[in-house]
Amino acid sequence: QVQLQQWGAGLLKPSETLSLTCAVYGGSFGGYYWTWIRQPPGKGLEWIGEINHSGSTNYNPSLKSRVTISVDTSKNQFSLRLSSVTAADTAVYFCAGGEYWGQGTLVTVSS
Amino acid sequence: DIQMTQSPSSLSASVGDRVTITCRASQDIRNDLGWYQQKPGKAPKRLIYAASSLQSGVPSRFSGSGSGTEFTLTISSLQPEDFATYYCLQHNSYPRTFGQGTKVEIK
Repeated sequence: QVQLQQWGAGLLKPSETLSLTCAVYGGSFGGYYWTWIRQPPGKGLEWIGEINHSGSTNYNPSLKSRVTISVDTSKNQFSLRLSSVTAADTAVYFCAGGEYWGQGTLVTVSS
Repeated sequence: DIQMTQSPSSLSASVGDRVTITCRASQDIRNDLGWYQQKPGKAPKRLIYAASSLQSGVPSRFSGSGSGTEFTLTISSLQPEDFATYYCLQHNSYPRTFGQGTKVEIK
C-alpha cells in the first residue's frame, strides 16, 4: 500500500520561499507522475505541477516562473519550492500520485 | 488551458436519492477524466478514473460516464457518508484542471 507523507514550513512571510517535501512509502516510485496541488481556504483545487522519477517536469503556467519541483529517487521523495510568496499563496498544499494523496500541509503567508 | 465547468455548484439531497453531477470540458479530452470526493479537512479521494472505471474499494453506488466533452458522476443511492464536495479533474492536457466543485448537502 502506497503512503505519502509530507512536511514543510507552515508559516512564511511575504517574499520568502515555500518549501515542502513528500516521501513515498511502498509501491513503485517509478510508476507515477508525482504531483503538487493546492487549495486556498474555502476554495477549489489548483494543479501546481508534477515530476516523474527521471526528473521530467510539467508546471502550471500561472506559477511556472516561481515553481521548482525536484525528485530524490534515492529517498523516494519529491519536493516543491515556490518563491516570492504572497498572501495569495496561502493554501493547503497536497502531494499526490495516482490515487494516492498526502495529508496536506497548511501554508500561511503573513507579515 | 482546458476549462472544466462543473454543475451544479451545490445541491441538497436526502439519503437514498439518486444524485448526478456533470462536468463539461471546453475541448475534447477523450476519457482522460477522474472524479474525486473531498470531506472537510481531508485530502481528496479518487472515486473514478478514465471517466468510468471505479477505483478499487469504492462502493458500486458510484459510477461515471461520458467521453469527449461531457461527463457525469452518479451516486445511485446517496448514503450519509457521501455528503462531501466532489471535483472532476482532466489529465488530457497541461495544465491539468479541476472543475470548481459540487457540494452535496443534506436536505
